[in-house]
Amino acid sequence: SYVLTQPPSVSVAPGQTARITCEGNNIGTKSVHWYQQNPGQAPVLVVYDDSDRPSGIPERFSGSNSENTATLTISRVEAGDEADYYCQVWDSSNDHVVFGGGTQLTVL
Amino acid sequence: QVQLVQSGAEVRKPGSSVKVSCKASGDTFSTYALSWGRQAPGQGLEWMGGIIPIFGTANYAQKFQGRVTITADELTSTAYMELSSLRSDDTAVYYCARVGAGDSYYLDYWGQGTLVTVSS
Repeated sequence: SYVLTQPPSVSVAPGQTARITCEGNNIGTKSVHWYQQNPGQAPVLVVYDDSDRPSGIPERFSGSNSENTATLTISRVEAGDEADYYCQVWDSSNDHVVFGGGTQLTVL
Repeated sequence: QVQLVQSGAEVRKPGSSVKVSCKASGDTFSTYALSWGRQAPGQGLEWMGGIIPIFGTANYAQKFQGRVTITADELTSTAYMELSSLRSDDTAVYYCARVGAGDSYYLDYWGQGTLVTVSS
């Protein structure tokens, strides 16, 4: 089955840029989606189809996807961005949703 | 405004079953797929399966095959996830989520989650 690998944690100072990676075999051929999850709350979609943002998501959130790595980039990081982030793809080989293990973003 | 409202917390004994509901409002229920997933305490998200109400057919993650049943009632715009033969490691928050338009299968609206506790 398809596997997505994320770093367990990323730390960044306020105002800096955070980059959270999601690695998978030829992930560049798939559409990657990203979710933000605050403690005790349901996930929220922040980027879909590699780089599109749902309405209401700040432009500071952006995404890219190439070859074996997809990246969620959060510019001008704020304290409120501190959360867990998950990447997700659709594995068409077996019609399954696959989530990455999640990355905890800490704002120093 | 799309809303998914799930049923309340449940406590079950090992070996029993649980059925969680997810009522949708604000958009056409039948034409969007719905997914179910869960999150054990301190762990990541795990997909369990999904259904397209208008077709009524569900597909399931291999891990849960034979133990999970996902159904949908178009008349009440409600989806259900039933998990049987419960074990202590099934203790988790269970989520339903709507699959967005298009064929890339992203989850654009989520229910609030339902805590299922399995304990003797």
